[in-house]
Amino acid sequence: GAVVSQHPSWVICKSGTSVKIECRSLDFQATTMFWYRQFPKQSLMLMATSNEGSKATYEQGVEKDKFLINHASLTLSTLTVTSAHPEDSSFYICSARDRAGRETQYFGPGTRLLVL
Amino acid sequence: KQEVTQIPAALSVPEGENLVLNCSFTDSAIYNLQWFRQDPGKGLTSLLLIQSSQREQTSGRLNASLDKSSGRSTLYIAASQPGDSATYLCAPLYDTDKLIFGTGTRLQVFP
Repeated sequence: GAVVSQHPSWVICKSGTSVKIECRSLDFQATTMFWYRQFPKQSLMLMATSNEGSKATYEQGVEKDKFLINHASLTLSTLTVTSAHPEDSSFYICSARDRAGRETQYFGPGTRLLVL
Repeated sequence: KQEVTQIPAALSVPEGENLVLNCSFTDSAIYNLQWFRQDPGKGLTSLLLIQSSQREQTSGRLNASLDKSSGRSTLYIAASQPGDSATYLCAPLYDTDKLIFGTGTRLQVFP
């Protein structure tokens, strides 16, 4: 149980285009989902926390107009990187927390984004 | 500022050795602390979770200790195997529901 999927697993796009990444909880309902970014040889950095039905909370330094987050249902959150640039190339990982439990976050397999 | 440091940054050992991976965190007001494993280009696998009131947790060949007051946790890996090769991340959880990740220890165990 407690499986989180992400789609796509990798994506290459041209500079200036927008890319949408989906995060789904497959066998549980997630009231809260988290989006992280990981640059090469660095650790995961929390970008934003998304609660179902409300606006996401962004961490300091993360542009909310550039990284659009939608959490419209208890099993799906999306991250859209708008007008992507090469510096947005990174590994994006989502996690989801079961509505029944406070502590454990279940992580997706990640999405590798390369912006040319 | 909440920061997490892991030492060593990289470790290369022959199989069979017992290993010690260290994690220190600047803000000791944690709710719990998790150790994760990350294989290259992959997501995270949770290994152990220690509550702030606990001193240690064990799972198979893995044992994690926690000294909350001094801001330290240690992951012990017994009888290391080549399949243990990965990056190990520690992440304390704070009451803001925020996991703060360390920079990781890259482990390579060779036959």
